[in-house]
Amino acid sequence: SYVLTQSPSVSVAPGQTASITCGGDNIGSQSVHWYQQMPGQAPVLVVFDDSDRPSGIPERFSGSNSGNTATLTISRVEAGDEADYYCQVWDRVSDHVVFGGGTKLTVL
Amino acid sequence: QVHLQESGPGLVKPSETLSLTCSVSGGSISSGNKFWSWVRQPAGKGLEWIGRIYTSGLTSYSPSLKSRVTISLDTSKNQFSLRLSSVTAADTALYYCAREGIRADTDVWGKGITVLVSS
Repeated sequence: SYVLTQSPSVSVAPGQTASITCGGDNIGSQSVHWYQQMPGQAPVLVVFDDSDRPSGIPERFSGSNSGNTATLTISRVEAGDEADYYCQVWDRVSDHVVFGGGTKLTVL
Repeated sequence: QVHLQESGPGLVKPSETLSLTCSVSGGSISSGNKFWSWVRQPAGKGLEWIGRIYTSGLTSYSPSLKSRVTISLDTSKNQFSLRLSSVTAADTALYYCAREGIRADTDVWGKGITVLVSS
């Protein structure tokens, strides 16, 4: 089945830009979604279809997807952005949904 | 605005069947191009997709759980359910019900329910 690979952790100073990557075989041909999960809370969709934002999500959150890597970019990082971030795709060949292993974002 | 609420036993014995229900409010489970899904998360670990059901009743399950999972709809009660048979301690997790779009963009989540598998 399709596999998504994320780095376990990313650290960034406040005000800087965080890049969280999600690797997969030809992931650029898939629609990638990103979720933010705060401790003790359900995940929240922050980017869908590679680069679209649901209403209410700050413009600081953006996404891109090409080749074998999708990227969630968080600009002007704030302390409140510290959370786990997960990528997800629907593999249309198998009709299965897959999550990446998650990346813990630490704001220094 | 659609809200989801999980319910069911918090404790299940090994080898028995885990049964959870998700109640949908604020919208009809039968309307729109939406899937209704289950996702679980063992303590301290990542998200695992279990499976989903379309409004037509068409289902899709995770390959690793397919032999033990059944997801069903009850449109009269505006609910959907998860059954996971022959559970072991490895099935202990926080279980979420959720709503997915056509490409699995999951925009609505329940708060989750913790299920412990233990004798």
